[in-house]
Amino acid sequence: GAVVSQHPSRVICKSGTSVKIECRSLDFQATTMFWYRQFPKKSLMLMATSNEGSKATYEQGVEKDKFLINHASLTLSTLTVTSAHPEDSSFYICSAHGSRSAGANVLTFGAGSRLTVL
Amino acid sequence: AQSVTQLDSHVSVSEGTPVLLRCNYSSSYSPSLFWYVQHPNKGLQLLLKYTSAATLVKGINGFEAEFKKSETSFHLTKPSAHMSDAAEYFCVVTLTGGFKTIFGAGTRLFVKA
Repeated sequence: GAVVSQHPSRVICKSGTSVKIECRSLDFQATTMFWYRQFPKKSLMLMATSNEGSKATYEQGVEKDKFLINHASLTLSTLTVTSAHPEDSSFYICSAHGSRSAGANVLTFGAGSRLTVL
Repeated sequence: AQSVTQLDSHVSVSEGTPVLLRCNYSSSYSPSLFWYVQHPNKGLQLLLKYTSAATLVKGINGFEAEFKKSETSFHLTKPSAHMSDAAEYFCVVTLTGGFKTIFGAGTRLFVKA
């Protein structure tokens, strides 16, 4: 089945540093990838939609200069949290969309990355 | 506009009894509907999906859901709860073809021994 790998699963960093999270589709080409943020005991909030080779589309209220998204290839999208602060601590999840030969499009989620900013 | 409403923030059942997690949606287009489960500190696992085929959808771990267009509902059920079913469950709607997803607020399922 479709597999999305997200790395790292956990990261702890100091305030002011930048952190990069990778999202890879392992066995399919992901034309579109989505990034979500989940606050403790809350639902997922869509942050942005990225299409391979073009700029990401950010949801209202999400700082694009804070959360840099790059989708340079059909199998990799990255989220960089720049100048991280403790309020950026959260669970970040990606999902990838790619067409399957069976006909039913697939949306598969990564396992998530827990960011803790000290 | 699209929206998803999960009617219960918490559901508590005894092991071996039926589970019902309720979900209502609003969509201007033909929706694709999903149920995902999230165990503590874990990612999301797809339980089942409806994509305009059969209205009764069977998923993994004995879960199933029925798409009722007239009621705009997609409730998740399981005949007999297991302790391992305790988790957070999300009802999700996507625009067909676009895959922009809208998540419900989630329902936390507690299973008592």
